Amino acid sequence: DQQVKQNSPSLSVQEGRISILNCDYTNSMFDYFLWYKKYPAEGPTFLISISSIKDKNEDGRFTVFLNKSAKHLSLHIVPSQPGDSAVYFCAASGRGSQGNLIFGKGTKLSVKP
Amino acid sequence: DAGVIQSPRHEVTEMGQEVTLRCKPISGHDYLFWYRQTMMRGLELLIYFNNNVPIDDSGMPEDRFSAKMPNASFSTLKIQPSEPRDSAVYFCASSSPQGLSGANVLTFGAGSRLTVL
Repeated sequence: DQQVKQNSPSLSVQEGRISILNCDYTNSMFDYFLWYKKYPAEGPTFLISISSIKDKNEDGRFTVFLNKSAKHLSLHIVPSQPGDSAVYFCAASGRGSQGNLIFGKGTKLSVKP
Repeated sequence: DAGVIQSPRHEVTEMGQEVTLRCKPISGHDYLFWYRQTMMRGLELLIYFNNNVPIDDSGMPEDRFSAKMPNASFSTLKIQPSEPRDSAVYFCASSSPQGLSGANVLTFGAGSRLTVL
């Protein structure tokens, strides 16, 4: 049973517009959520995280929103750029700075010029 | 630091052969993780170590898989004998705890793409 779900395998967005990537989770004990970005033939790289005690975290063009009651988080990229085209993974951690991350299956974002 | 180093980057082997994947974590990181990525299952954790000690190996698919971490700077993942269904990209990652106030940010290697014919 998947604890972290990314229900959209792909998303296509025009350059300059907003990209919204969604993630749902089932375990209310998760205390951190992270987003990773992955280019082909490379490993995933960390993008942004949010603690379960917050509802928003922003870093430049990237903002993550957390809705604990809905067990839902989203990553907003504004404005989207062609270089943002990659696979985005949502991940959750149950023990803060220790233990493993549980990943969703990823969403492939294509930003068209 | 050069980041997490994995070798080989690509491996093609025949069913029944032994496969050994290697990982050098970032110096100073005391957690090491092995993940496997497939189309069907996405990124799934196989095993992780803390201070060279295996903490959770519940993700190791079966006895054909084994992992070791003989010292803080080296880990191996072995598959013996290999099967076509083991074909996947295997990632190694390492991390260092951020204390009570931070997320566990894993740094991944570039992966080892395994093809078992």
